[in-house]
Amino acid sequence: DAGVTQSPTHLIKTRGQQVTLRCSPKSGHDTVSWYQQALGQGPQFIFQYYEEEERQRGNFPDRFSGHQFPNYSSELNVNALLLGDSALYLCASSYLGRDTEAFFGQGTRLTVV
Amino acid sequence: GENVEQHPSTLSVQEGDSAVIKCTYSDSASNYFPWYKQELGKRPQLIIDIRSNVGEKKDQRIAVTLNKTAKHFSLHITETQPEDSAVYFCAARGYSTLTFGKGTMLLVSP
Repeated sequence: DAGVTQSPTHLIKTRGQQVTLRCSPKSGHDTVSWYQQALGQGPQFIFQYYEEEERQRGNFPDRFSGHQFPNYSSELNVNALLLGDSALYLCASSYLGRDTEAFFGQGTRLTVV
Repeated sequence: GENVEQHPSTLSVQEGDSAVIKCTYSDSASNYFPWYKQELGKRPQLIIDIRSNVGEKKDQRIAVTLNKTAKHFSLHITETQPEDSAVYFCAARGYSTLTFGKGTMLLVSP
């Protein structure tokens, strides 16, 4: 079992560009949540996907969007990048039907210059 | 929404001492409280969790206590070791998403 995998591990983008981050959940999990972790802060919830629908959303602008595919993998898209979007983006997977713990991927370090 | 406060932000102890990290939460509907350890450059890893129907849980040197009335929960690490040095995050889950505290940097000196 590979656990939760994210790609890429590191990314450098220019202000105004768009970025897509990818996440494959742990085997058997059907729910993917995305978090933004700024340096020295705790992870902040962006949104959660289940059955290919956005199920819940945190306090993030519409520039942040996502998608879940039939195989439960997910993408996070950020448009019109700002310097403040520089952070570690974490994906966590879980199984909605059971009260299970969330497993995190290793994250994607996004740097906006 | 849920709000989780975590204290202290930094904690320095000598090897062998105990360490205690405290968190409070605001949403009385929250029913699951995990603790994560994050080493530099690595993913958060679950070290212990507690559900709202339990007051205390222990796993070797690590224990968590929960006071639902006061809406606070704490992490206790006994006989600390240098490899316990990391950032620790508490979190609370109500509906289905986790709200994290801002983290505690634990430094264990040999």
